[in-house]
Amino acid sequence: GESVGLHLPTLSVQEGDNSIINCAYSNSASDYFIWYKQESGKGPQFIIDIRSNMDKRQGQRVTVLLNKTVKHLSLQIAATQPGDSAVYFCAENIGGGADGLTFGKGTHLIIQP
Amino acid sequence: EPEVTQTPSHQVTQMGQEVILRCVPISNHLYFYWYRQILGQKVEFLVSFYNNEISEKSEIFDDQFSVERPDGSNFTLKIRSTKLEDSAMYFCASISGRLYEQYFGPGTRLTVT
Repeated sequence: GESVGLHLPTLSVQEGDNSIINCAYSNSASDYFIWYKQESGKGPQFIIDIRSNMDKRQGQRVTVLLNKTVKHLSLQIAATQPGDSAVYFCAENIGGGADGLTFGKGTHLIIQP
Repeated sequence: EPEVTQTPSHQVTQMGQEVILRCVPISNHLYFYWYRQILGQKVEFLVSFYNNEISEKSEIFDDQFSVERPDGSNFTLKIRSTKLEDSAMYFCASISGRLYEQYFGPGTRLTVT
């Protein structure tokens, strides 16, 4: 499945399938991008980040892709598990360092058994 | 694993009252942040703090807001005269400065009646 984080708030996938969550960012000067996972009643939890000089970065079961040409960021989650159910936010940082983050609206990922 | 802690978890106050939200960032971190999240909406940056002064603030962070690091461990957000629209989750975050992953606390739910 595929969703645009800012325009399609809910993504429903079958357990074991791969998920792709998309995000469009607005500022071409943004240098640093992060994906956060937020479970109900909790604070955002860091998943993976990427700098603007890269176009792909992999973590454990997650991959972030950055397309600076169209200002698009995506998060791929392999073999989704029930524990992946959460709201996923992309965030950008213009300065690339210690600046405040600008968050997207979030996509609610629902894992169907 | 070190974590950001926040107290209280839920604060109910009447409109016009002052509230202080408290955070204990991760002990060796140098940059501190406050964000808010109105129910069902995205996380919004309020303010960042470094070396005992505000380094960046958003338009939301007006004269009704202030931050302080009263000792070596606490970081507080004060709202002088709360309004109904201040009702939200307030998250504290911190980074080491060597790495830029912002670690978030569990949040304080502020309800203004």
